[in-house]
Amino acid sequence: DAKTTQPTSMDCAEGRAANLPCNHSTISGNEYVYWYRQIHSQGPQYIIHGLKNNETNEMASLIITEDRKSSTLILPHATLRDTAVYYCIVRHAGGTSYGKLTFGQGTILTVHP
Amino acid sequence: ETGVTQSPTHLIKTRGQQVTLRCSSQSGHNTVSWYQQALGQGPQFIFQYYREEENGRGNFPPRFSGLQFPNYSSELNVNALELDDSALYLCASSLYGDEDYGYTFGSGTRLTVV
Repeated sequence: DAKTTQPTSMDCAEGRAANLPCNHSTISGNEYVYWYRQIHSQGPQYIIHGLKNNETNEMASLIITEDRKSSTLILPHATLRDTAVYYCIVRHAGGTSYGKLTFGQGTILTVHP
Repeated sequence: ETGVTQSPTHLIKTRGQQVTLRCSSQSGHNTVSWYQQALGQGPQFIFQYYREEENGRGNFPPRFSGLQFPNYSSELNVNALELDDSALYLCASSLYGDEDYGYTFGSGTRLTVV
């Protein structure tokens, strides 16, 4: 299974951009990178995903390096409600693990006033 | 569009008992996955169901089993409960075969084994 490595915790000031890094050096060519967040033991909430191109949606941007060994999730204007655990996940692409999401420990992002 | 719903939200069971957790998938989704999340940990993949059959399994013993029904809803059954089974159990639905899809998670069932 392709593993991901994230910092345990990060802080960000409200209104500033939050940049959350993730390493996934063993990712395979057909595996996607997904980002989810989880607030206080609720179900994980989908943020964004990508294969090799940078992606942007209404919540965030995802920057994937050219070698695909790392990525960065960017929350452009963090708010207090963005305080959560952020998971960088590699989605398995085939075999008996098709579709399996392998969660790591995640990054605890704290947005402060 | 309805999301993923799970029931019950909380449950307390005694060691050795059996439990059944339920999940209704999001409208338009045909695949259901189950995850176990222990306190302070990330979710761990249990298994996935598609077309009423298990088509992927994580590192969980056979006493964890499941079902998927024709309407794509699903059940997770755990036999011979152990104290370590205490966790948040999450269900996620998706559309199988669509390579560019996201998974929608429910809010989970908090199981406490005493």
